[in-house]
Amino acid sequence: AQSVAQPEDQVNVAEGNPLTVKCTYSVSGNPYLFWYVQYPNRGLQFLLKYITGDNLVKGSYGFEAEFNKSQTSFHLKKPSALVSDSALYFCAVREGSNTGKLIFGQGTTLQVKP
Amino acid sequence: DTAVSQTPKYLVTQMGNDKSIKCEQNLGHDTMYWYKQDSKKFLKIMFSYNNKELIINETVPNRFSPKSPDKAHLNLHINSLELGDSAVYFCASSQNPNSPLHFGNGTRLTVT
Repeated sequence: AQSVAQPEDQVNVAEGNPLTVKCTYSVSGNPYLFWYVQYPNRGLQFLLKYITGDNLVKGSYGFEAEFNKSQTSFHLKKPSALVSDSALYFCAVREGSNTGKLIFGQGTTLQVKP
Repeated sequence: DTAVSQTPKYLVTQMGNDKSIKCEQNLGHDTMYWYKQDSKKFLKIMFSYNNKELIINETVPNRFSPKSPDKAHLNLHINSLELGDSAVYFCASSQNPNSPLHFGNGTRLTVT
């Protein structure tokens, strides 16, 4: 069965510093991976996805993610964090079937301090 | 214009009641979903419809019944509400099952 794990409940960074939010996955077959962000009292917003191609995927709001097949990881990164990036981040993997079903990680709260 | 809209935003009700949550999307998407987010923020899919056809039906109690009158709407009806149903319910849509999801802002259901 497909699964994703986000090993950190919370990540704290100072504004202007680089940030990384970690995600590892377990799939049979080729992984379809996604990152979403959730602000308080809002729905999730799509940030980026990896289907095939370049291992470095660029997304919205200056975020990028690096797909690493050997380490089965898909970490979210940003070179310079903003206070407004503070939110809950979810990594997700699409289940192998053609149903669009996403399996979400447990979420990581990003706290960016001024 | 809101792309995926849910009503109501908040729903407080007593155990045993029946309630509905409505969802509409104006994106022209073919696929719609219901997800449940529990108190620990864990997200789990409940149902998915593609072109009004049910394609995902997770192990959800049969007290929960989705209804899709057309491609733009996917409503969720819940019978005999229980305390454990308290959660935030998110509607979402996508162009097709392989496209990114667009989420509504959620309905916070509290069962007392």
